[in-house]
Order: sequence, then structure tokens, then C-alpha cells
Amino acid sequence: DVKVTQSSRYLVKRTGEKVFLECVQDMDHENMFWYRQDPGLGLRLIYFSYDVKMKEKGDIPEGYSVSREKKERFSLILESASTNQTSMYLCASSPTTTSGNTIYFGEGSWLTVV
Amino acid sequence: GNSVTQMEGPVTLSEEAFLTINCTYTATGYPSLFWYVQYPGEGLQLLLKATKADDKGSNKGFEATYRKETTSFHLEKGSVQVSDSAVYFCALSEPGGSYIPTFGRGTSLIVHP
Repeated sequence: DVKVTQSSRYLVKRTGEKVFLECVQDMDHENMFWYRQDPGLGLRLIYFSYDVKMKEKGDIPEGYSVSREKKERFSLILESASTNQTSMYLCASSPTTTSGNTIYFGEGSWLTVV
Repeated sequence: GNSVTQMEGPVTLSEEAFLTINCTYTATGYPSLFWYVQYPGEGLQLLLKATKADDKGSNKGFEATYRKETTSFHLEKGSVQVSDSAVYFCALSEPGGSYIPTFGRGTSLIVHP
């Protein structure tokens, strides 16, 4: 089974702290994604990466950065956490195929910024 | 651009009722279509998928048929259970195109005993 592992399920951070959310996938997928999920807003893409060291902005990149130094690992960084970044963060990965890309999600990280 | 529209929820049903969650899409090419399910406190997981017109995806009693003529992929289940209570997301992905899937907003299903 494909496994996408997010290192922290629940975090509480203070305003202004630098926050790292780590994600690892074990299926050698080319593509990795970070989403945030808020009630009534669905899934919103923050960043994605289609290869090592490659990254592209999604719909809401402001206040976030990412790092992909190894194929299996994709990190989301909140440079200076703010209360409006309190949310559920979902990491995902997918292969690049010719028949449509099933995307596999981690269990999510609940971040509270106080 | 691509888009996915789902019916708004919550959908509230009694156990053993018939379920339909509507999903329509717009796409420039010939996408693959997916339903994902998110149980409370968890990430999303693939429920079923269909990769070409008239294909039927099925899993755990759920079904959806890829209808190109109506650009739809409605989710159905003949008899829901309390354990089906979750949020359901319709999504599309274009083969060979953008790596980014397009998701609907999600539909919450609440099943009462």
C-alpha cells in the first residue's frame, strides 16, 4: 500500500514561530503536494513539486515555503506563523502516469497558532 | 480551465436509504474522474475512479459512472450505513497534462441510525 506519512498530527505553535511540517512518501512518486483544508473552503493548494528541488506555487502560497531535497520528502515551512494559518494541512503524492493520476494523502496535521 | 462542481451538503439520510451525490465537471481534454472519501479526523482516501467514458467505478457498495455526454460522475449507494458518514470529494485529473488534480468542494454525508 502507498503510504504518505506526516510527521506531526497535532501541533500548537506561537505567533511568529517558524514551523516545519514534514511529509514522506514510500512509493517513489514524482509529484508531491501541500494543501490546507478549512471548513467551507474545501482543499486549497499551497505548493506542489514535480521533481526533486522543483516547486511551483499553488493557489495560496503567501506565508509558506517548501523544500524538496529528496524525492521521498516534501517539507512545508511557515516562516513566521500567524493565527490565520491555524488549519488542517494535508500532504499528498501522486505518480506521473498516462491514465490519470490517483493522488494519495497523508492523515493530516492539525496546526493551531496561538 | 478545469473545474468540478458538487452538490452542497450536508446530506442527511437514515440508515439503509439510497444515496446520490451529484458531481459535474468541465475539462479541456479527457480526464480521469475520482471520488475520494474523508472520514472524521483523517486524510482523504481514494474511493473509486474511472478513466474513460462509460466506465463504472465501484468500491464498498459505492458506484459512479463516467458520463461524457452529461459531463457527470454522480456517486451512488443503494443502502447507506452510519459508518459511511464522511465528506466525499469528486475530482478529476487529466492524463499527460497538469499534475495537479482538480477537486470539488466536498459534500458532507451524515447517516443517522
